[in-house]
Amino acid sequence: ETGVTQSPTHLIKTRGQQVTLRCSSQSGHNTVSWYQQALGQGPQFIFQYYREEENGRGNFPPRFSGLQFPNYSSELNVNALELDDSALYLCASSPARVSGELFFGEGSRLTVL
Amino acid sequence: GENVEQHPSTLSVQEGDSAVIKCTYSDSASNYFPWYKQELGKRPQLIIDIRSNVGEKKDQRIAVTLNKTAKHFSLHITETQPEDSAVYFCAASSDGGSQGNLIFGKGTKLSVKP
Repeated sequence: ETGVTQSPTHLIKTRGQQVTLRCSSQSGHNTVSWYQQALGQGPQFIFQYYREEENGRGNFPPRFSGLQFPNYSSELNVNALELDDSALYLCASSPARVSGELFFGEGSRLTVL
Repeated sequence: GENVEQHPSTLSVQEGDSAVIKCTYSDSASNYFPWYKQELGKRPQLIIDIRSNVGEKKDQRIAVTLNKTAKHFSLHITETQPEDSAVYFCAASSDGGSQGNLIFGKGTKLSVKP
């Protein structure tokens, strides 16, 4: 069984640029959630995708957007990067919006200079 | 919106001792309370969870208790081992966890000294 995989693992961008992060969900999971984890903090919910549609959203501005594809993989896009966007971005998948357990990937570490 | 406070932020115990981490939540509609363990540089992993219709749940050396009236829940680890060293996060959800919207605490760094 393949777990959640994310790419890239690390990247550096400058303020104002745009970034796309990618996530492949665990086999059999059709729901993907994205979280932002600042250094020394707990993960913060960005949004969830189910059946290729945004299913819930946290307190993040519209420049954070996403997609889910028919194979349940997902992308997180962030436009007009700000210094405070520097964080670990975690993707988590779950089976069919049940059970509650989230299966996290190892994250994409974004540094904005 | 929901707010989850977690204490202490750091905890150091001797191997074999017990460790207790406490969390409080603000939204009385919260009904799902998971605990995640995150080792250094690794992904968070669920170690135990509890739903609001249960007051206590145990899995080997790990237990979680929930007090809905006081809106707090706690993680108890007995007979701690060095491999228990990690950051532990509590979280709360008002949708049973079905929509992936977990509100996390800021974490507790547990160090178990051999």
